[in-house]
Amino acid sequence: GENVEQHPSTLSVQEGDSAVIKCTYSDSASNYFPWYKQELGKRPQLIIDIRSNVGEKKDQRIAVTLNKTAKHFSLHITETQPEDSAVYFCGPSGTYKYIFGTGTRLKVLA
Amino acid sequence: KAGVTQTPRYLIKTRGQQVTLSCSPISGHRSVSWYQQTPGQGLQFLFEYFSETQRNKGNFPGRFSGRQFSNSRSEMNVSTLELGDSALYLCASSSSGWGEKLFFGSGTQLSVL
Repeated sequence: GENVEQHPSTLSVQEGDSAVIKCTYSDSASNYFPWYKQELGKRPQLIIDIRSNVGEKKDQRIAVTLNKTAKHFSLHITETQPEDSAVYFCGPSGTYKYIFGTGTRLKVLA
Repeated sequence: KAGVTQTPRYLIKTRGQQVTLSCSPISGHRSVSWYQQTPGQGLQFLFEYFSETQRNKGNFPGRFSGRQFSNSRSEMNVSTLELGDSALYLCASSSSGWGEKLFFGSGTQLSVL
């Protein structure tokens, strides 16, 4: 079956540093690659996504890069701030099934 | 537009009972998907409905079932509850459910005693 792996599971960075989270998937049919952020006690919310015909997308301090050949995509957060502290999930999609990674807990230390 | 609404917010049940959770999607959204969230397992896909039809399901036992009504509202049912069913159950809606942004509800926190 489809497999999604997310690394690292926890990540601590100093405020102002960069953070990178990687998501590896197995389903070759995947063509949509989103990242969701879930703050403590809140619902997951989409922060950035990319489609298979694009290699990179940026939105202010957040970027996503895709390597379809190697079947992985990564979330990049620059100039991290305390409000970036949350759990981040990748959720590659190619069919009507949504398989999410197990999440990365990011802690931004002030 | 109102967001995705899930009811109830909290539920406490005992082993062996059954439970029904409700999800009202964003107006105009026809796809509703359900997830089980536990601290160690992340978000696990249960099933997805579109226009009252289940299009896909995850690897959960048959005790977990769902349905969708003509107004796109969806319910999921868990029969013969087990302690391990304690979790946050999230639903999400989207226009077509195919490679697009999901809008999540706040979830139903189920505790099985």
